[in-house]
This record gives sequence, C-alpha cells and structure tokens, in this order.
Amino acid sequence: DARVTQTPRHKVTEMGQEVTMRCQPILGHNTVFWYRQTMMQGLELLAYFRNRAPLDDSGMPKDRFSAEMPDATLATLKIQPSEPRDSAVYFCASGLSSEGDQPQHFGDGTRLSIL
Amino acid sequence: GDSVTQMEGPVTLSEEAFLTINCTYTATGYPSLFWYVQYPGEGLQLLLKATKADDKGSNKGFEATYRKETTSFHLEKGSVQVSDSAVYFCALTGPGGFKTIFGAGTRLFVKA
Repeated sequence: DARVTQTPRHKVTEMGQEVTMRCQPILGHNTVFWYRQTMMQGLELLAYFRNRAPLDDSGMPKDRFSAEMPDATLATLKIQPSEPRDSAVYFCASGLSSEGDQPQHFGDGTRLSIL
Repeated sequence: GDSVTQMEGPVTLSEEAFLTINCTYTATGYPSLFWYVQYPGEGLQLLLKATKADDKGSNKGFEATYRKETTSFHLEKGSVQVSDSAVYFCALTGPGGFKTIFGAGTRLFVKA
C-alpha cells in the first residue's frame, strides 16, 4: 500500500532552533495538508496545498511557521525560531481533490519536543 | 460554517460489548462523511465513509449510516475487541471541497 512518509519521526531540540519537518505525499495525490495534534487543542489544520499551490495557511502562526511544496514529492513545514509551546505531533496528509468524497491519507507524524 | 460534534470520551467497555459513538454534523448541501481511527503512535486512517444520504459505510465490523434527517453519522460495532482500543474521529468534507472538518475525537478503551 502507498503511504505518506514523514521525517523525522522524532525531534528534540532547544528553543530558538530552526526545525524542518518533511513529508512525501502519495504519488498522484494533488492535495497536501499539515496538522498539529496536542492533548489540549486536539487536531488543528495549519495549512494546505492543492497542485502545490498554498490555498490556506490561516491556521499557522505566520511569524514563525512556513510551509512550502518545492515539488510534487516534497512538502516542508518549518518553525523558526521554535518555542516550547510548539511541542506537539505534526501530521502530514495527502489526498485527491474531486467531489469531496475522497479521504485523506495520513503519515505517522513527527513528534516534536522543544526544550 | 461546517462543524462536527462527537460524544466526549473516554468510553470504556468490556470485550464483546456493543459500541456506539455518536456524531452529528452541520453543513450546507450534502457533505461526504467519514470515520477515521488513530492507534497509539500512528496517524489517522480511514475506517469507513458514506457519500450520500442513507448510505451505510462498513469496515472491520464497524458500521455507520448517513442520516440526513437527523444530520448524524453514528459509529457502531456489535462486539468490540481489545484491539479496537483507539481514538475515533468523525469528519466531513463539503460537496466539491477537499478540506475536511474533524470532530474532537473519542477515545475508546476496551478491557479484556
């Protein structure tokens, strides 16, 4: 089965450091989503892309977060500078945009800890 | 805007008990409805879906029926197993859309 691949799976770093998370969507999928999951806030949508174009990043703190798709096989989420409140699990998901009846396929996430 | 409300957890059941997790939604038009499951340390994965009114989605013994009149999509399973312990998310995608609205999730614990 095709899978969404996220790297790294775990990241521990000190506050102020830059963090880059990567995602390889399923080949042929044209939508990519970034989510953040915490116990307190649950699952939050940070940003999403369609055909590599960013459509909405209103869920992200703009001053420190950025999301890009340099090509169809790679999506990145960067945090600079990182803060302890950014500690969470970050998920990437990909899918096919059609009539809204297609599910999203999630990676296994990057567990981020900012000390 | 569109929204999904599901019952708060945790839900704790004994093995072989009947499971119901309630989910209601608010949306314009006819959304597609989904249940996703998340096991510890993993991402969400699709459990089942229904794309029009009165459709029943089913998978691995789980079922949910798209009820337009009550705007509901309740998840049921006749006999749960310890391996069903996970977090379950109800979700919808609007017609012609691709952004999915997720519920808050319901954690299920099944005791042997």
